[in-house]
Amino acid sequence: SQQGEEDPQALSIQEGENATMNCSYKTSINNLQWYRQNSGRGLVHLILIRSNEREKHSGRLRVTLDTSKKSSSLLITASRAADTASYFCATDSGGSNYKLTFGKGTLLTVNP
Amino acid sequence: DVKVTQSSRYLVKRTGEKVFLECVQDMDHENMFWYRQDPGLGLRLIYFSYDVKMKEKGDIPEGYSVSREKKERFSLILESASTNQTSMYLCASSPRQGGAQETQYFGPGTRLLVL
Repeated sequence: SQQGEEDPQALSIQEGENATMNCSYKTSINNLQWYRQNSGRGLVHLILIRSNEREKHSGRLRVTLDTSKKSSSLLITASRAADTASYFCATDSGGSNYKLTFGKGTLLTVNP
Repeated sequence: DVKVTQSSRYLVKRTGEKVFLECVQDMDHENMFWYRQDPGLGLRLIYFSYDVKMKEKGDIPEGYSVSREKKERFSLILESASTNQTSMYLCASSPRQGGAQETQYFGPGTRLLVL
């Protein structure tokens, strides 16, 4: 079964606006990651947040993690048309395991 | 920069054919993975390998096998391709750092069509 589930499934905004995507998961984790996928391409890693961290920034990206609610959010500020892509959260299983489980993704469309 | 390459971007095969998808990484990563991606289903793990000649089944291994004879190369084999194996196949690699999963680096994907 899916460990991470993104919400919403699709999001359409205007350039310059902020975009927020959410991820919920079911079991304890070591870390949670966010990836981006441009249409028809491979995934690109954006940011990793560990279970003992609550917030992390990278450029225009801000990720939060609430382990008590088993949820994370990805905020993209001042969005650009080039941010149009699918965004996936990925979680590990919490143990010594090399597997990641990916959600189904949020499709973000940034209109110029 | 980590580079993960896949042998083909697009592939068209006939039902019953044996299909090889090759993946090569140049960063000496211990872990390698094969996923398939389908609309509405997200990424699903087929097989992974954490060392040469080692492999473990993922969530959907049926109809697939893998081979890892060298550290940099991980091959996915469809023994007898079927139309329900039409999909986007993504290869990834990651370093082994402790026991927890670290960042995975993905190839560009192979879009396979089985007729």
